[in-house]
Amino acid sequence: QKEVEQNSGPLSVPEGAIASLNCTYSDRGSQSFFWYRQYSGKSPELIMSIYSNGDKEDGRFTAQLNKASQYVSLLIRDSQPSDSATYLCAVNRVAGKLIFGQGTELSVKP
Amino acid sequence: SAVISQKPSRDICQRGTSLTIQCQVDSQVTMMFWYRQQPGQSLTLIATANQGSEATYESGFVIDKFPISRPNLTFSTLTVSNMSPEDSSIYLCSVVGGLAGSSGELFFGEGSRLTVL
Repeated sequence: QKEVEQNSGPLSVPEGAIASLNCTYSDRGSQSFFWYRQYSGKSPELIMSIYSNGDKEDGRFTAQLNKASQYVSLLIRDSQPSDSATYLCAVNRVAGKLIFGQGTELSVKP
Repeated sequence: SAVISQKPSRDICQRGTSLTIQCQVDSQVTMMFWYRQQPGQSLTLIATANQGSEATYESGFVIDKFPISRPNLTFSTLTVSNMSPEDSSIYLCSVVGGLAGSSGELFFGEGSRLTVL
């Protein structure tokens, strides 16, 4: 079992729809959870961090964490073509030492 | 967040040679890390660059292959030694944001894309 698992996709959604990205992790001791966006040929960009159970909203992005189920998700509302990228889920127990999932490729169709 | 600059941004290298990647941060940071992203893969932590002491390597990575320097709180280098085509990757310098890394959030430089022929 991989430590952090994501569906590789590609996930295709129409413009304006909600994109839902999911991630599960195996280490119950994980403390912090992150979502990164990576455009092709670019380095990862942090878009959300979440540390406690529940929802965290930032603009069109909502991160959801359920530690009991070892599950973290990212919702993107009103998806735009510019959101087309690979989204990486990452977890850690120690600051800076992140375990990354394989990433989910998102395609938003105009 | 800190501004992280890496050099070179990309390079094409010959098998058996070594290349040093530089990472410069615009502010003092306690925690600095080197990650690797192989083609089509996700990111893997190579090592933690410790200021004033040897780097701490993750399983599967060794100092002879990836020597790291961290002479001060704003600068680090990663050398990829005796390169083979399997070393073709993007190498990413990263730092933890916040005072003394308090935010826990990791930020990346632009990356150095190495192609080994």
